[in-house]
Amino acid sequence: GDSVVQTEGQVLPSEGDSLIVNCSYETTQYPSLFWYVQYPGEGPQLHLKAMKANDKGRNKGFEAMYRKETTSFHLEKDSVQESDSAVYFCALSECDAGNMLTFGGGTRLMVKP
Amino acid sequence: EPEVTQTPSHQVTQMGQEVILRCVPISNHLYFYWYRQILGQKVEFLVSFYNNEISEKSEIFDDQFSVERPDGSNFTLKIRSTKLEDSAMYFCASRTGNTGELFFGEGSRLTVL
Repeated sequence: GDSVVQTEGQVLPSEGDSLIVNCSYETTQYPSLFWYVQYPGEGPQLHLKAMKANDKGRNKGFEAMYRKETTSFHLEKDSVQESDSAVYFCALSECDAGNMLTFGGGTRLMVKP
Repeated sequence: EPEVTQTPSHQVTQMGQEVILRCVPISNHLYFYWYRQILGQKVEFLVSFYNNEISEKSEIFDDQFSVERPDGSNFTLKIRSTKLEDSAMYFCASRTGNTGELFFGEGSRLTVL
């Protein structure tokens, strides 16, 4: 079955640091790829997406490139801010699986002021 | 801004009791989903629902679970006889079409004692 593996646990950069949160996926199909963000007390919300290979998703200074050759969708930002602190989930969906989302385990980003 | 709403926000129940979690999806959405998140773990797909029937379900969604859209607005998840391991945050989600953005509610926390 499909699977998504991402950077585990917490990431603790300081404000202004660059960020990479790794995401690798495994599937037999051609998925769409997503990053969802979850703030305390809220449900996940779409952060950015890429629908096919070589697409780049962008939002609020974050970027992720859909790399089919390495089956990766790493989340990157040049300069994080304290307000970026949240839990980030990498996810994939496939058209022939009802477009249900398969999530990674989540990465807690805590940006130090 | 339209949103997915869920009730109750928190329910505590005894093992073996029936629980119904309610969701009001965004009004023009046609595809409905339940996901769950055990504390500290990944978000897991339970079931998808379209055109008044289940379209996909996961291994988690066994005979103890059922979903219903009784009145054209509410979308409910019923757990017939709760177990300790059903304790989790349950998220309802909806989208307009099969490939549109998935919108999540804020979740219903279920605690089974």
